[in-house]
Amino acid sequence: NAGVTQTPKFQVLKTGQSMTLQCAQDMNHEYMSWYRQDPGMGLRLIHYSVGAGITDQGEVPNGYNVSRSTTEDFPLRLLSAAPSQTSVYFCASSYSFGNSGNTIYFGEGSWLTVV
Amino acid sequence: GENVEQHPSTLSVQEGDSAVIKCTYSDSASNYFPWYKQELGKRPQLIIDIRSNVGEKKDQRIAVTLNKTAKHFSLHITETQPEDSAVYFCATYRNTGNQFYFGTGTSLTVIP
Repeated sequence: NAGVTQTPKFQVLKTGQSMTLQCAQDMNHEYMSWYRQDPGMGLRLIHYSVGAGITDQGEVPNGYNVSRSTTEDFPLRLLSAAPSQTSVYFCASSYSFGNSGNTIYFGEGSWLTVV
Repeated sequence: GENVEQHPSTLSVQEGDSAVIKCTYSDSASNYFPWYKQELGKRPQLIIDIRSNVGEKKDQRIAVTLNKTAKHFSLHITETQPEDSAVYFCATYRNTGNQFYFGTGTSLTVIP
């Protein structure tokens, strides 16, 4: 199993550009999510999905879109990049949600810089 | 929503000493408390977790304690080693929600 795979690992964008961060997992996990990590602020939830066709907003959803057409994939779209979106992005998945104790598996992270 | 506070933000200890990191939370319905370790440039990885019906859990040199009444839980690392140097995050979760809430992280440095 490859686990949770994110691409690209590094990206530089110009303000106003759009892009998609890809995330795929091969563990048949129901739950997938996107976090951003900023210095001194920990990990903040952007969007999450509890299954194919179902998505919901997290703590900081503005400026981002997601979709979940398959169990395996959960792409994150930046519609019009802003410097405030410069961050490290982590995709994460777990087997199911609603049962406390399910381990979250993180992808390797995507370093995004918006200039 | 939940508010998770983590202290200290940085911690330096001599090799062999113990390290303690504490988190407080606000939502009394939170019932699962994991700890993650993140090495520089790497992804966070689960190192230990505890559920609300347990007061303490140990795994070799690491342990977690939970005080539900006071709404705080702590990570204890004994006999620290240089490879323990990393950022540690606490988190909370409750069954009726669909997200984890993370603390802001503690950067631990173990000095050889």
